[in-house]
Amino acid sequence: SQTIHQWPATLVQPVGSPLSLECTVEGTSNPNLYWYRQAAGRGLQLLFYSVGIGQISSEVPQNLSASRPQDRQFILSSKKLLLSDSGFYLCAWGLSYEQYFGPGTRLTVT
Amino acid sequence: GENVEQHPSTLSVQEGDSAVIKCTYSDSASNYFPWYKQELGKGPQLIIDIRSNVGEKKDQRIAVTLNKTAKHFSLHITETQPEDSAVYFCAASRTGTYKYIFGTGTRLKVLA
Repeated sequence: SQTIHQWPATLVQPVGSPLSLECTVEGTSNPNLYWYRQAAGRGLQLLFYSVGIGQISSEVPQNLSASRPQDRQFILSSKKLLLSDSGFYLCAWGLSYEQYFGPGTRLTVT
Repeated sequence: GENVEQHPSTLSVQEGDSAVIKCTYSDSASNYFPWYKQELGKGPQLIIDIRSNVGEKKDQRIAVTLNKTAKHFSLHITETQPEDSAVYFCAASRTGTYKYIFGTGTRLKVLA
């Protein structure tokens, strides 16, 4: 069966510091991968999606970037965090229509 | 642009009663409609989905109905239990895109 992992689970970072969130999927090959952000009590905002290694599409222009160095690994990065980057970051995977979410990373920028 | 409207934003029901959440989509080319349940502090969990060639789908206490003409779909939960309390999101997507258009969520509270 397929499993999706995200780490860290929680993170507190000062403004201006770098960020690296990692997502890995087990038990499947060539999945579509997604990064979402969810502000407190709000809906889901798609940030990036990838249909293959090295193929990244950005949905929202901001100071975040994504990379897919391996088939089942998706990384979300920032060089300098802003207060507005705080939120719940969710990675998801899918093979066709469906998307399956990971447990999320709660990021607080102080 | 495309959007999905979801109602109500909050819903309180007594344990054992039924709950219904409704979503309306704008893109007539949408052909896949998933529903997610999100518990506090966790990632959304896919609980049921329906494709546009089907009018209704049921899985135990959960069912989803789709009206393509009216462009709306609904989640029905029967015999609600306290563990059904969560935020529920609907979404719509169409062939050729990997993106979902999500609704704004419904906070369901099941009162014991």
